[in-house]
Amino acid sequence: QKEVEQNSGPLSVPEGAIASLNCTYSDRGSQSFFWYRQYSGKSPELIMSIYSNGDKEDGRFTAQLNKASQYVSLLIRDSQPSDSATYLCAVRGNDMRFGAGTRLTVKP
Amino acid sequence: DAGVIQSPRHEVTEMGQEVTLRCKPISGHNSLFWYRQTMMRGLELLIYFNNNVPIDDSGMPEDRFSAKMPNASFSTLKIQPSEPRDSAVYFCASSPTNHEQYFGPGTRLTVT
Repeated sequence: QKEVEQNSGPLSVPEGAIASLNCTYSDRGSQSFFWYRQYSGKSPELIMSIYSNGDKEDGRFTAQLNKASQYVSLLIRDSQPSDSATYLCAVRGNDMRFGAGTRLTVKP
Repeated sequence: DAGVIQSPRHEVTEMGQEVTLRCKPISGHNSLFWYRQTMMRGLELLIYFNNNVPIDDSGMPEDRFSAKMPNASFSTLKIQPSEPRDSAVYFCASSPTNHEQYFGPGTRLTVT
């Protein structure tokens, strides 16, 4: 069974801090990696995609991929209360698999 | 551009009734996915289509579930007969081949 694992949280950080979200996956053939944000009662929204080892930055978000360790992470700098949501890691190999999500709370 | 469109947004029905959920993907996207999300099981892939052809339906829970994609701009997910355990939020997503998926707003289904 090919799995995507995330710490379910909740993860709580103060406003302005860096939030670090982690994800591991089991399918070594995976080629594409995504982070989605889901607010309560809403649909998942794509915030980052990464395809090669290293870091990819987009505004306050940085995705990090290490295929050798089968590990992908998302860093949120200068966290804001509006970042409070569940973050889903998704991995595409032969199919697309989602982790269970990490619930993030940013406290003012 | 319009995103993925789903209807209805909410559906309440009685056990045993037929339920049909509808999805219009983003124009130009050739892959379409149906997901179910519950608190207990998270986001589960039910079935996906490439170029209107079903590729993997291994996530469809039972024969009570069926999905069709008669053309590039429309898909349906049908549950017949519905059961209370089918209560969930059903999402449709579309993507260009092997790229990121974009989700619709979802249909919240309640079966009483």
